[in-house]
Amino acid sequence: AQKITQTQPGMFVQEKEAVTLDCTYDTSDPSYGLFWYKQPSSGEMIFLIYQGSYDQQNATEGRYSLNFQKARKSANLVISASQLGDSAMYFCAMRARNTGNQFYFGTGTSLTVIP
Amino acid sequence: KAGVTQTPRYLIKTRGQQVTLSCSPISGHRSVSWYQQTPGQGLQFLFEYFSETQRNKGNFPGRFSGRQFSNSRSEMNVSTLELGDSALYLCASSLQLQETQYFGPGTRLLVL
Repeated sequence: AQKITQTQPGMFVQEKEAVTLDCTYDTSDPSYGLFWYKQPSSGEMIFLIYQGSYDQQNATEGRYSLNFQKARKSANLVISASQLGDSAMYFCAMRARNTGNQFYFGTGTSLTVIP
Repeated sequence: KAGVTQTPRYLIKTRGQQVTLSCSPISGHRSVSWYQQTPGQGLQFLFEYFSETQRNKGNFPGRFSGRQFSNSRSEMNVSTLELGDSALYLCASSLQLQETQYFGPGTRLLVL
C-alpha cells in the first residue's frame, strides 16, 4: 500500500527566510511521481512542483524546490525567500503505476509566514 | 486556458436529500478525479474517471457515485445525505491518468 507521511502539522517561518516542509513516502513501485500542492484558506489546491522517480535532478519551480532523496524515500519541499502569501496548507502527494496511478495525499502542513 | 470549474460553489442540503455536483475539466484533459476533504479525515479519494470509464474507486459507500460524459465533464452524486457528508468536494483533471492533477475551486456542501 502507498503511504505519504507529513510529520509537521504546523510550521512558522519569518518573512524572507527559507523553510523546509518534510514528506516521506512508501511504495514498492520503482515508477512513481511525487507532487506538492498548496491550499490557501480559499480551498483551491494549487499545483506547485513535480518530481518523477527516475528524474536525476531535483525539481525546481521559481522559489520552490524539491529535495528528492530516493534512498531515504523523502521528498521535502523547500520554499526560499518566504512571502506572506505563502501562508497556507501544503500537501505532499504521490501516484504510482502499480496502484493504477491513484493519487495519495499526506495530512498536510500548515505554514504561517510571520512578518 | 480556463482552469477546472466546479458548480455549484456552495450548497446547503438537509439529511436524506440527494445532491449532484458538476466538474468541467481543463480543455483537452481526459481524466477527472473527485476528492472529499474534511477537517477530521483530510483529503480522501472518491473516484477517478478516464474516457467515460471509472478507473479507480476509493473506500466510500455506494451512496457516492459518479460519471463522466463524452466531453470529459463529470458529475458526482450523493444520495440520502448524512450530516457527515458535509465537506469540501474537490475535482481535479489531468491529461492522462499518470500526469499532474489540476484542481478546481471545490464545492462546499453543508448538510443540516
